[in-house]
Amino acid sequence: DTEVTQTPKHLVMGMTNKKSLKCEQHMGHRAMYWYKQKAKKPPELMFVYSYEKLSINESVPSRFSPECPNSSLLNLHLHALQPEDSALYLCASSPTVGAGEQYFGPGTRLTVT
Amino acid sequence: SQQGEEDPQALSIQEGENATMNCSYKTSINNLQWYRQNSGRGLVHLILIRSNEREKHSGRLRVTLDTSKKSSSLLITASRAADTASYFCAEETSGSRLTFGEGTQLTVNP
Repeated sequence: DTEVTQTPKHLVMGMTNKKSLKCEQHMGHRAMYWYKQKAKKPPELMFVYSYEKLSINESVPSRFSPECPNSSLLNLHLHALQPEDSALYLCASSPTVGAGEQYFGPGTRLTVT
Repeated sequence: SQQGEEDPQALSIQEGENATMNCSYKTSINNLQWYRQNSGRGLVHLILIRSNEREKHSGRLRVTLDTSKKSSSLLITASRAADTASYFCAEETSGSRLTFGEGTQLTVNP
């Protein structure tokens, strides 16, 4: 299984809502990543987890809260988001940090109203 | 983050023609990678070239790397309509961060 899955595919939420994005991989990878991509722009790194521990936080606002409950799962908890947070959120994994190729999921399209 | 530049921003060619995309980056790299993204979807890894390599081939893809100029190019030969997508270079630096370039939108007309 060389797939990274993400749920939901689409999410619409109000600024007072709390929601979570979920990412799962069963390739035995020990590095997982969250990226944010605005329309017609490249992906921007948000967080890196290595062996279930947060290793990189790219100064992301605290309204985004990542969680890695086990080696296969990565969550992104969302709270009190702003309309400018609307974007495609991409999850990726790799065998280890610095292993080169990253495997991306299809993304969650988030709209904040 | 210091995103690199890619040119052209958009490229439109006929099926069967070759497509060349260029990428410039700003820092010392461990490797440089190329990814493809179909509209609104996830990225697919195409090819990785290490900092001590100058050229690499994979099927119809050819990548070059010039570390003195901090630049790379991706050549797609004998293009197909199915190659229509956005192509991004990504520099991997120490700390294992991937920093993506601005991307090239390739359209291959049948």
